[in-house]
Amino acid sequence: EVQLVESGGGLVKPGGSLRLSCAASGFTFSNYRMNWVRQAPGKGLEWVSSISSTSSYISNADSVKGRFTISRDNAKSSLYLQMNSLRAEDTAVYYCARLISGSLTYFDYWGQGTLVSVSS
Amino acid sequence: DIQMTQSPPSLSASVGDRVTITCRASQSISSYLNWYQQRPGKAPKLLIYAASNLHGGVPSRFSGSGSGTEFTLTISSLHPEDFATYYCQQSYSSPLTFGGGTKVEIK
Repeated sequence: EVQLVESGGGLVKPGGSLRLSCAASGFTFSNYRMNWVRQAPGKGLEWVSSISSTSSYISNADSVKGRFTISRDNAKSSLYLQMNSLRAEDTAVYYCARLISGSLTYFDYWGQGTLVSVSS
Repeated sequence: DIQMTQSPPSLSASVGDRVTITCRASQSISSYLNWYQQRPGKAPKLLIYAASNLHGGVPSRFSGSGSGTEFTLTISSLHPEDFATYYCQQSYSSPLTFGGGTKVEIK
């Protein structure tokens, strides 16, 4: 059974940093492109960042460029998101999501999410 | 970026009703359109990919159609567990973008 379990969320002050983790199991993690998608309270879904299976290709939403860094450790089946210079508008539930990519592209599995609150 | 617009933003329906949700793209995205269901407090779940393909384990009362810029998600007969928010998402080009969601509430 595919499982994605996020951790690392919490309350942080504006300008602060946080590192999110996502532990994957039930599939060959190193074969898949992985993503972070966030959802502000009461709002819709926003794609944040993506990393290819070998970390050779990384892309980020304009809203987080230069502040967030996605990475992965295939030996540990883990995905990470280093978030720096956090702003109030980064407050959201952050989901780890597996991406099926190729001729068809879609998020087929999601974690339960971890809440990041940015407030003074 | 491709903008995705869903309508209506919310709707009220009864168990057994047929429900249709529309998603429009700001430019043609062929059939690169996916649908997700999100129950309150839960993570999104994939329902349909590539406009009309049912993800494994999704009940057949869900169906999707459309191509180009206009797409629909239909629930043929609402079940109690279908009361949720539904999102469309385009995978035609980066960045991947979502619609604003349609909340299906109990009448």
